[in-house]
Amino acid sequence: QKEVEQDPGPLSVPEGAIVSLNCTYSNSAFQYFMWYRQYSRKGPELLMYTYSSGNKEDGRFTAQVDKSSKYISLFIRDSQPSDSATYLCAMISNAGNMLTFGGGTRLMVKP
Amino acid sequence: DAMVIQNPRYQVTQFGKPVTLSCSQTLNHNVMYWYQQKSSQAPKLLFHYYDKDFNNEADTPDNFQSRRPNTSFCFLDIRSPGLGDAAMYLCATSGVNSPLHFGNGTRLTVT
Repeated sequence: QKEVEQDPGPLSVPEGAIVSLNCTYSNSAFQYFMWYRQYSRKGPELLMYTYSSGNKEDGRFTAQVDKSSKYISLFIRDSQPSDSATYLCAMISNAGNMLTFGGGTRLMVKP
Repeated sequence: DAMVIQNPRYQVTQFGKPVTLSCSQTLNHNVMYWYQQKSSQAPKLLFHYYDKDFNNEADTPDNFQSRRPNTSFCFLDIRSPGLGDAAMYLCATSGVNSPLHFGNGTRLTVT
């Protein structure tokens, strides 16, 4: 079993839809949680960075962390075709800086 | 803007011909990383530097080496590239317990 599980998709939604992307993890040592967006042929771009359980909002993006369930989510409101990309969840334990990635979910937002 | 810059963006090399990829950063982060990313997969950590301290992942092939002559620059040397080494190579930086910032990668083709 992988430490971080993420549905690879592809996930196809119409423009304007609310998108929900999720990751589950097994290592309770993970304390810092990130979502990266990666466009084709580009490096991952940091979208959200959270530490505690609960919600963090930034524009159309909301990151949610539930440490008791070992489950994190990224919600995208009013999705746009420009949101079409691969979304990678990632997490770090307190012990160091080694990022553990999920496998990524490919999202396609159709006009 | 402060950033992580990778050169070249695209690199073609012949089977067995040594190649060097470069990364520079203006973030003054003390940790630098090299990741390998193959198509539709999450990035895989090859090694990282904490300041000048080099840390190799256990499953990184000996064919891959790295140098960090100063805080700003880091190099990835592939001594004898094989066809299986064709991938996107991503450089990233971070401070302590802070998220990683990635460059746009170098796409390596081995002919």
